[in-house]
Amino acid sequence: GESVGLHLPTLSVQEGDNSIINCAYSNSASDYFIWYKQESGKGPQFIIDIRSNMDKRQGQRVTVLLNKTVKHLSLQIAATQPGDSAVYFCAELYSGGSNYKLTFGKGTLLTVNP
Amino acid sequence: ETGVTQTPRHLVMGMTNKKSLKCEQHLGHNAMYWYKQSAKKPLELMFVYNFKEQTENNSVPSRFSPECPNSSHLFLHLHTLQPEDSALYLCASSLKGNQPQHFGDGTRLSIL
Repeated sequence: GESVGLHLPTLSVQEGDNSIINCAYSNSASDYFIWYKQESGKGPQFIIDIRSNMDKRQGQRVTVLLNKTVKHLSLQIAATQPGDSAVYFCAELYSGGSNYKLTFGKGTLLTVNP
Repeated sequence: ETGVTQTPRHLVMGMTNKKSLKCEQHLGHNAMYWYKQSAKKPLELMFVYNFKEQTENNSVPSRFSPECPNSSHLFLHLHTLQPEDSALYLCASSLKGNQPQHFGDGTRLSIL
């Protein structure tokens, strides 16, 4: 799992297995959440987002779950592939203020073993 | 191809040099951002521009000077940097502040 302020956690899975990456966010007023994937030598790439009026959203092979009660976000990747190996960041945003500031977690390193 | 292009990809400079980082987006976005990414630390927001106007300066030292001449271009002017400024500098853009941000691949900066 991931939590802001700790060293980079790692997750190692076998190709074809499902992966679950967790994130604990800090601001209970945050109402918009994004998962990013960052491969070596590249910038973060948008994967999926979710707003606080939802608790689940699905994309292609990815699902994001939001539990506002415990301020927890997770990213599920189905049938994980070697190309999924990367660092995954969650980010939170409070859109009620005048300045929209995305706050990022430190990231989780996902390694997919063939 | 993310739609956000950063140049140069790598930059090595001495502490007394002056250089500039460039970011360009062709996504029609109205907000642009500079972030610093250091090892073992979360992404740090540096500056935010909305419609060419700076709306956020996250207590960034004055040796970093941003410039946004139009909604498609963003610069980060560097002068008298310190070794601890060595990092990956990422540019991002979004349609509006509460929309997903799209990142470039960054400039890897090394200060000698």
